[in-house]
Formats: sequence, structure tokens, C-alpha cells
Amino acid sequence: SQQGEEDPQALSIQEGENATMNCSYKTSINNLQWYRQNSGRGLVHLILIRSNEREKHSGRLRVTLDTSKKSSSLLITASRAADTASYFCATDGNTDKLIFGTGTRLQVFP
Amino acid sequence: DTAVSQTPKYLVTQMGNDKSIKCEQNLGHDTMYWYKQDSKKFLKIMFSYNNKELIINETVPNRFSPKSPDKAHLNLHINSLELGDSAVYFCASSHRTTNEKLFFGSGTQLSVL
Repeated sequence: SQQGEEDPQALSIQEGENATMNCSYKTSINNLQWYRQNSGRGLVHLILIRSNEREKHSGRLRVTLDTSKKSSSLLITASRAADTASYFCATDGNTDKLIFGTGTRLQVFP
Repeated sequence: DTAVSQTPKYLVTQMGNDKSIKCEQNLGHDTMYWYKQDSKKFLKIMFSYNNKELIINETVPNRFSPKSPDKAHLNLHINSLELGDSAVYFCASSHRTTNEKLFFGSGTQLSVL
């Protein structure tokens, strides 16, 4: 079964605006990861946050993790047209498998 | 230099045929994977190998057979292709375990007619 679900399924914004995507998962985890997938390409790892961390930054990306609510959010600040892609969260669920969420399709208009 | 490379990028074939997808990684990683992404972008793990040893085998039909000749290669052979096999297949690798970040290939778009 699907471990993570992203919300919203699709998001359209203007360049310069911030984009926030949420991920909810079902079981306890060791870590949670976010990936980006451009159309027709493979997934690219963005950031990994461990279960004992609450927030992590990488450039224009900010990830938060709330293990009590089993949820995470990815914030992209000052978005650019090049940020247009699908974004997936992935969790290990304390298993040896990395399970991906359903993805959020982000469209950034110039 | 492509870190994880898979071939072919596109594969169009008839039902009932047998086909293979090859994957190679030059990152020195111990673990390799096959994922299947359907038309709704749902990404599901199929297999995982660690140092040529199968460690994850999800409920995948027996028609799918992975083969790892060495830890840098993980190929996927599919027998008796069916319409439902149409999807994008991604190879990936990680340094040691699935708790680490994955490096993905660019995918193989399989279309079964």
C-alpha cells in the first residue's frame, strides 16, 4: 500500500511566489526524503530529513518534519519556471524499502 | 558521465514478446533497484539487489526476472509481455541501503501493443 500521499496533487503559481507541498505517511520512519522529477526524466534527490530532525534547509528548499502528525512539508521559496516538475516524498517506514508518495505536480508560470 | 544509465530509453513491442532492459551504475554503490512508474506517476519498487544478492522482491509476476552479474549492473528481463506491463521502468542505486538517497536512471518507456 502507498506509504505517503502528497497534497495538493497539483499546484500552479507565478514565478517569485513560494510553493508548499505536504506529505503524509502512515507508519514510523527512520527518514523522509524529497525527490523532483522533471517531465520524461528520472527522479532527482533533493533533501533527506531524519526522524529526529524537525527542519532542514538546502538553498531555496525548506523541509519540515512532524513525526507526531506523520507529516512533512516542502517549501520552495522564490520559485522559478525551472522548478516546474513533480515532487515526491519517500519514506522507509522502518523497513528496507523506500516507498514513494503520489506526487505533487508543480507548474511555475513565468 | 552518467551515474546510472539504462538502455533502451524507449521500447515498443508486441504482446507475448520477451524483452530486456539493462542498467549500469558507475557510482560504486552496493545496492540497485528496479522501480515501475505507471501512467498516474505512481512509483512502486519491484526489486532490490545488494552486492548481486536479491534482497527485495515485491509481488511482481514471475515473468519479471532481474539479473545482477555484478554489483554495477542490474538487468530486467520480462517474458511474455502483457498490455499492463506498459509503464516507465526506472533503475536506481544507493550507497548501501534503502535508508540512503537513491540515484535514478532516466527511465525506459515500455509500450506493449
